[in-house]
Amino acid sequence: GENVEQHPSTLSVQEGDSAVIKCTYSDSASNYFPWYKQELGKGPQLIIDIRSNVGEKKDQRIAVTLNKTAKHFSLHITETQPEDSAVYFCAAMDTGNQFYFGTGTSLTVIP
Amino acid sequence: ETGVTQSPTHLIKTRGQQVTLRCSSQSGHNTVSWYQQALGQGPQFIFQYYREEENGRGNFPPRFSGLQFPNYSSELNVNALELDDSALYLCASSLAGGQITGELFFGEGSRLTVL
Repeated sequence: GENVEQHPSTLSVQEGDSAVIKCTYSDSASNYFPWYKQELGKGPQLIIDIRSNVGEKKDQRIAVTLNKTAKHFSLHITETQPEDSAVYFCAAMDTGNQFYFGTGTSLTVIP
Repeated sequence: ETGVTQSPTHLIKTRGQQVTLRCSSQSGHNTVSWYQQALGQGPQFIFQYYREEENGRGNFPPRFSGLQFPNYSSELNVNALELDDSALYLCASSLAGGQITGELFFGEGSRLTVL
């Protein structure tokens, strides 16, 4: 089955700096890669996603890149703000439409 | 638009007991999936329901079972609870024609503690 690895597990950045979180996946047939943000005591919320026929997608301060050959995808957050502090999860959806999540990155933005 | 709601939010059980967790899907969503999230880990897929039938299952034993009702709400049942079942149980709904092709909308979860 699919295996998703996520790094780093914790990340601290100064407000205004950029943050990058990286994930790798094992199943080359996986075709949909969402990123979720989970705040304390809440369920994960989708922040951006990318499908396998696209290499990059951007939404304001958030971007995701996908390298299908290397089987890795990354989340980029620019101009970080304190409200970006949360746990971020990457995920991959396989051809059986099951989602496999990474182990999460705890992002702290220091004011 | 009504979001995904789960109940109860917290509960404590003892080993060997049974538990039922409930989920109301987002308005208009016909597919519900359940995830187990252990502390410090990512969500792990338990199973998915579409049109009242299970149409996908992760690597969980049969003592994890579920139901989906005609109004698309769902239940997760766990029998013979074990200490390792302690986790946050997340319900997610989506709009799909039997296959999840897009965004999952998660509830806030039910925190289960097994003593």
